[in-house]
Amino acid sequence: DARVTQTPRHKVTEMGQEVTMRCQPILGHNTVFWYRQTMMQGLELLAYFRNRAPLDDSGMPKDRFSAEMPDATLATLKIQPSEPRDSAVYFCASGLVPIGQDIYEQYFGPGTRLTVT
Amino acid sequence: EDQVTQSPEALRLQEGESSSLNCSYTVSGLRGLFWYRQDPGKGPEFLFTLYSAGEEKEKERLKATLTKKESFLHITAPKPEDSATYLCAVRLRGFQKLVFGTGTRLLVSP
Repeated sequence: DARVTQTPRHKVTEMGQEVTMRCQPILGHNTVFWYRQTMMQGLELLAYFRNRAPLDDSGMPKDRFSAEMPDATLATLKIQPSEPRDSAVYFCASGLVPIGQDIYEQYFGPGTRLTVT
Repeated sequence: EDQVTQSPEALRLQEGESSSLNCSYTVSGLRGLFWYRQDPGKGPEFLFTLYSAGEEKEKERLKATLTKKESFLHITAPKPEDSATYLCAVRLRGFQKLVFGTGTRLLVSP
């Protein structure tokens, strides 16, 4: 049963600390997304990668957030320094874009619940 | 501005009481409408993709339909295990990202 995995599942940290969240996409998927979910804003796209290359990170605060894909099996989202307003659930999703098509489903991981105090 | 609106925000049903959830959209160039189910503390779970007006898809007690302006998720004879938040999302032409609605929280009582 192929699934997206995320670590940690929960993170509590103090304001100003660095936070790193990790995601392992479904094996063989070539597109990875980072979303943030809050009660007020719902699900918002932060960034996404195709074949490990960043394609769009316009939803991400550039001064403190960074996203990378060191290899095809690992995506990371880093916040430095963290702030209380970053408290949210962060989801990673992955998908496989078939050759010659551009429509595909995204499969979500269980999320990382971040609390910044 | 591209917008996705879901209604109602919350819906309470008795077991067996069929109903529909609505997702209306005002977007320029739809390239797919997606329905997801989200249980508390979990990530969204993919249900359906609809590509063009008139299309319908079914899965167990769920049936999704699409028109040019909205989509409906029909729930027939729901059971308590259908309780969850149902999210719809649209993908716009030329973009890879999904724009999500805020969801409908469904509670089915036995």
